[in-house]
Amino acid sequence: DVKVTQSSRYLVKRTGEKVFLECVQDMDHENMFWYRQDPGLGLRLIYFSYDVKMKEKGDIPEGYSVSREKKERFSLILESASTNQTSMYLCATRGWGRTYEQYFGPGTRLTVT
Amino acid sequence: SQELEQSPQSLIVQEGKNLTINCTSSKTLYGLYWYKQKYGEGLIFLMMLQKGGEEKSHEKITAKLDEKKQQSSLHITASQPSHAGIYLCGAIGSGSGNTGKLIFGQGTTLQVKP
Repeated sequence: DVKVTQSSRYLVKRTGEKVFLECVQDMDHENMFWYRQDPGLGLRLIYFSYDVKMKEKGDIPEGYSVSREKKERFSLILESASTNQTSMYLCATRGWGRTYEQYFGPGTRLTVT
Repeated sequence: SQELEQSPQSLIVQEGKNLTINCTSSKTLYGLYWYKQKYGEGLIFLMMLQKGGEEKSHEKITAKLDEKKQQSSLHITASQPSHAGIYLCGAIGSGSGNTGKLIFGQGTTLQVKP
């Protein structure tokens, strides 16, 4: 059974704190993605990684960084959290090639106060 | 850049009724994904379509990709309250290569009244 897990379902942090969101997959997928979802804006890609230690910016990378030291784990880092980063964060994974399905984790709802 | 437009944005139907959600792309679709999302939760993969004219079904949900590969429809037969949620279409962006980077439509919110 496909499994993508995220470290927290709900998280509350203060402005200026460093925040780590972690995503783990057990499907041996090469590609991993971080999206944020906001009402009226839909899903927007923050960063993605197509291999260990490889990363590429998505559409809205400002204020975020990522780390992929192991194939199964992809971390999203908010260096200094701000209130405009309050959002639902979704991790996804996908195998290599156009025929592969893409699976999502349960999401982390982050509130920055 | 490629965009996906879903219609309608929201839908309220009586239990037992059929319904259709559409997803239209500004460019040719190389892979079209349908997801369902319950409020506050992650996306559940429903189906993926790749070939023009392809049709797939899962329980009472059927999705089709048109021959020109620029539009997909999701049809629910005899809707039930369990079908309620947000339906999103996603597509492999035209410049994404093999990485699978997806772009998404805005979503269609479905309510099913008992």
